Amino acid sequence: DIVLTQSPALAVSLGQRATISCRASESVRSSMHWYQQKSGQQPKLLIYGASNLASGVPARFSGSGSGTDFTFTIDPVEADDIATYYCQQSRNDPLTFGSGTKLEIK
Amino acid sequence: VQLVESGGGLVQPGKSLKLSCSASGFTFSSYGMHWIRQAPGKGLDWVAYISSSSGTVYADAVKGRFTISRDNAKNTLYLQLNSLKSEDTAIYYCARRRTSRGYYVMDAWGQGASVTVSS
Repeated sequence: DIVLTQSPALAVSLGQRATISCRASESVRSSMHWYQQKSGQQPKLLIYGASNLASGVPARFSGSGSGTDFTFTIDPVEADDIATYYCQQSRNDPLTFGSGTKLEIK
Repeated sequence: VQLVESGGGLVQPGKSLKLSCSASGFTFSSYGMHWIRQAPGKGLDWVAYISSSSGTVYADAVKGRFTISRDNAKNTLYLQLNSLKSEDTAIYYCARRRTSRGYYVMDAWGQGASVTVSS
């Protein structure tokens, strides 16, 4: 199985940039996607194919990377962005998710 | 697009439960569907997938115990959970698989159904 490693938490000031990393245990090419999950809610697709913005998602969100190293960025961070962010690969079965990065406001 | 799960509840270890996911707002029969679960305070864990032609794939942790199925006439996805264990306690989400620019993504999710396995 492909293991995705994310840092557990990140604290950022409002208006600043938040950068979340995801490292895959083997290459997933560009088949990496990012989801936002707010407390008590279902996940929401934000970025697909490493860098493509999902429909209706603000341009403050962006993604980059390929192979094994990926980055998800929010710039600027707003109060409504408080959530846990998950990366997910669709290169190989079984589909796997990272353990999530909890975004907190300083 | 709307996905609504139902059928969750409290069940004893070793017993069974069947979850449903009612779909609306899109042509259900044309899409593959996933079940994903989230244990309390934990991350997301993919469980099973069924294609539009009813081909299935399972996570090793549930293979042989869970069965994913669909009824296109009723626009409904199912997950039969048998031989339940305490570690199956989780919120179970259904999600639609969509192909976007050649990538398979989970672009719509239900609100989740809670399953608690305890004696």
